[in-house]
Amino acid sequence: RKEVEQDPGPFNVPEGATVAFNCTYSNSASQSFFWYRQDCRKEPKLLMSVYSSGNEDGRFTAQLNRASQYISLLIRDSKLSDSATYLCVVYNTDKLIFGTGTRLQVFP
Amino acid sequence: DTGVSQNPRHKITKRGQNVTFRCDPISEHNRLYWYRQTLGQGPEFLTYFQNEAQLEKSRLLSDRFSAERPKGSFSTLEIQRTEQGDSAMYLCASSRTKGGLAGSETQYFGPGTRLLVL
Repeated sequence: RKEVEQDPGPFNVPEGATVAFNCTYSNSASQSFFWYRQDCRKEPKLLMSVYSSGNEDGRFTAQLNRASQYISLLIRDSKLSDSATYLCVVYNTDKLIFGTGTRLQVFP
Repeated sequence: DTGVSQNPRHKITKRGQNVTFRCDPISEHNRLYWYRQTLGQGPEFLTYFQNEAQLEKSRLLSDRFSAERPKGSFSTLEIQRTEQGDSAMYLCASSRTKGGLAGSETQYFGPGTRLLVL
C-alpha cells in the first residue's frame, strides 16, 4: 500500500464548477500536510499547507482530518488555468511523501 | 532569477554511460533534496543534505547513484552505468529550516533534469 493515496483522475469539469479531491495517508506520525500543483512537464509548486482547522486561499479550501488520516482540497469556480495535476503531500521524517497526483482538466 | 536551478535541463545518454546533474539551491537554504519522478507518478524522495552532510538516503538510491554537496551550496547527483529504468525527471528542492513545527518550511523545487537512457 502506498503511503499517500489519491485518485489519479482525470477529473474533467466545466468552467465555474466546484471540484473536490481527496487523499488518504497511512502514517499517523506524519507531521505536516500540503497540496502541490504540477503543470505538465514542470516542477511541483506549493499550492497551500493543510491544517486541522482548515484553511482557505481564495477559491481553494483545504482540510485535514487527522483521526481519519484524510486530506481534501476543494476548488470553487474552476478556471481554465486550474487545469493541472494536484499532488497530495505529507511531510514525514525530514522528507516529503507525494501521492501520484490527481489530474484536473477544466473545459470551456 | 533567485530560484532553484538545475543543469542540464535534458540529458539523453546510452545505457552504460555515466551522467552527472547539478543543482544550485536558493541562496542561504541549508537543506537540499533530490527526488525522482517517473511518468504518472508523484516525485519520490532519493536523498537530502543539511549543509554539506548527507543525512538520509532512500533505498531507491542504489550503489550506482551518488550525491554530493561539498561546500554546502550546490549539489551533484551522479548515476554510473545508467540503465533504461533510470529514465525519469530528477528534481532538486531546497528549504531553510527554522524554529517551529518540523516540516513547516517550504521546499522549493527546481525545473528538473529530464533523463532519457537509450
